[in-house]
Amino acid sequence: EVQLVESGGGLVQPGGSLRLSCAASGFTFSSYSMSWVRQAPGKGLEWVGNIKQDGSEAFYVDSLKGRFTISKDNAKNSLYLQMNSLRPEDTAVYYCARRNFDFWGQGALVTVSS
Amino acid sequence: QSVVTQPPSASGTPGQRVTISCSGSSSNIGSNTVNWLQQLPGTSPKLLIFGKNQRPSGVPDRFSGSKSGTSASLAISGLQSEDEADYYCATWDDSLNNWVFGGGTKLTVL
Repeated sequence: EVQLVESGGGLVQPGGSLRLSCAASGFTFSSYSMSWVRQAPGKGLEWVGNIKQDGSEAFYVDSLKGRFTISKDNAKNSLYLQMNSLRPEDTAVYYCARRNFDFWGQGALVTVSS
Repeated sequence: QSVVTQPPSASGTPGQRVTISCSGSSSNIGSNTVNWLQQLPGTSPKLLIFGKNQRPSGVPDRFSGSKSGTSASLAISGLQSEDEADYYCATWDDSLNNWVFGGGTKLTVL
């Protein structure tokens, strides 16, 4: 059974940093690209970015380039999202999703507030 | 403002057939396949349709997708109360070089 489990969410002050993790199981993690998608409270889905199956290259939505970094550790079956210089508008549930969104995690809530 | 546009709401009665539209441009829907996702209240999104009207295992054939030019549609036949959810289209945009989601359509079963 495919499982994706996010962790690392929480409350952070504006300007702070946070690292989300996504633990994958039930499939050959190294064979799949992975995405991060976020959803602000009461709003729709927004693609954050994705990373190639071997972790060699990541792609981001323009508005987040330079602040967010996606990485992938195939030995640990884990996906990461490093978020820096956080702003209140980054408050959202962050989901990891496999390839073209065929499986999703339960989400991790990130709240940016003083 | 998303580059692909969905109506904010749709509704139907049990047993009815409803369609949800997703309008884009030549750089996204016009060039790429469209995924459709369902998000039940308080849950993570779930893939309903991908590729050329393919359904993942377990998705009922009441759900179907179609595309014409720069628009796509999700059709739900035999509407059931458990279909009440938010529905999103998603596609790759060749100009932006990223995935784009529609703003979502809230489906109400009357």
